[in-house]
Amino acid sequence: EGQLLESGGGLVQPGDSLRLSCAASGFTLKGYAMSWVRQAPGKGLEWVATISPTGRTYFADSVKGRLALSRDNSKNSMSVEMSGLRAEDTATYYCAKVLEKWLVHDAFDVWGQGTMVTVAS
Amino acid sequence: QFVLTQSPSASASLGASVRLTCTLSSGHTRHAIAWHQKQPEKGPRFLMKVNSDGSHKKGDGIPDRFSGSSSGAERYLTISSLQSEDEADYYCQTWSTDISWVFGGGTKLTVL
Repeated sequence: EGQLLESGGGLVQPGDSLRLSCAASGFTLKGYAMSWVRQAPGKGLEWVATISPTGRTYFADSVKGRLALSRDNSKNSMSVEMSGLRAEDTATYYCAKVLEKWLVHDAFDVWGQGTMVTVAS
Repeated sequence: QFVLTQSPSASASLGASVRLTCTLSSGHTRHAIAWHQKQPEKGPRFLMKVNSDGSHKKGDGIPDRFSGSSSGAERYLTISSLQSEDEADYYCQTWSTDISWVFGGGTKLTVL
């Protein structure tokens, strides 16, 4: 099934930028859409962004214009660059793999353990 | 606005069975959904994908105690022979080109 490992979280100030990375192991990321999902403290899961196998990106309205997604199939990894961070972006960020190869819109079947992002002054 | 509705909480006794429900909003009642288990301090765990006809595809290593089914706009997750480690939050998820990806609000399952 494979594993995903996020990194890059931390404490930042409002307006700062932050880059999160997601490394895949046990499977080849090429051909799969990959996503970011977040969970704010005490809240539910919220879809954030997805990058298709060909690099097309999709963003939730709450982050549109502030996030940039990229993937490096040669390194079996993907990243999200977050800018203009706000207090409401405080959450644990999870990367997730889409179930079926070459499908974009499908279930998420492999999840990472998450990385915490705290935006506070 | 597209919505997935879940009861905020559910409870059942150790060894018993429980059925959790995820309701699709009107106009999207033929969507497949996925069930995910979320335990504290852990990443979510994919349980299964449930289609509108009730067929389902489980994730790797998911015990037979977990099963999925459908009826109209409702998608179900049934957990039998409840164990203490099943105490968790359970989220349904759906997706399409017009709604992107959506999660329900989650059901907190307590094993008594």
